Amino acid sequence: GAVVSQHPSWVICKSGTSVKIECRSLDFQATTMFWYRQFPKQSLMLMATSNEGSKATYEQGVEKDKFLINHASLTLSTLTVTSAHPEDSSFYICSAREVPESSPLHFGNGTRLTVT
Amino acid sequence: GQNIDQPTEMTATEGAIVQINCTYQTSGFNGLFWYQQHAGEAPTFLSYNVLDGLEEKGRFSSFLSRSKGYSYLLLKELQMKDSASYLCVCSDSNYQLIWGAGTKLIIKP
Repeated sequence: GAVVSQHPSWVICKSGTSVKIECRSLDFQATTMFWYRQFPKQSLMLMATSNEGSKATYEQGVEKDKFLINHASLTLSTLTVTSAHPEDSSFYICSAREVPESSPLHFGNGTRLTVT
Repeated sequence: GQNIDQPTEMTATEGAIVQINCTYQTSGFNGLFWYQQHAGEAPTFLSYNVLDGLEEKGRFSSFLSRSKGYSYLLLKELQMKDSASYLCVCSDSNYQLIWGAGTKLIIKP
């Protein structure tokens, strides 16, 4: 079955630094990838939709200059949390969708970010 | 606006059956997904319905009624490992995904 690899699984960084999270579709091409954030005991929240070769579409309330998304190829999307602060500590998850668009999402295993 | 409603939390007994309901209002419809998410993990795909009726997959079944904007996920022979959140997700006319807040299912011995 389709596999999405997300790296790193967890990361601890200091306040003010930037962190890059990678999301790769290993055995299929994904024109669209999605980035989510989930705080403890809360629902999954869509942050942005990443389209290969074009700018990401951000959900309301998500700062595009803080959460930089790059989808340079059909198998790779990256999320960079810039100038991270403790309140950015969360569980970040990516997902990718095969063609056709009625296909289910395949999720990465998530990245647990802790900002100290 | 687009909206999905599902219960926040449900409790059931090991070995029993539980039905998790989901009602939706979307601009057009291109299918409904159910995902399972264990605490601290990413969601995993359970089922997809786009036509009316029941889809059975082992202990899990999913039902859809498009005219009623209604779906349910049925879990049989509940096991402790079924304790998780269950997410109802609709695909609208533009294939945009609308997420429910999830139903936390607690299984008791």
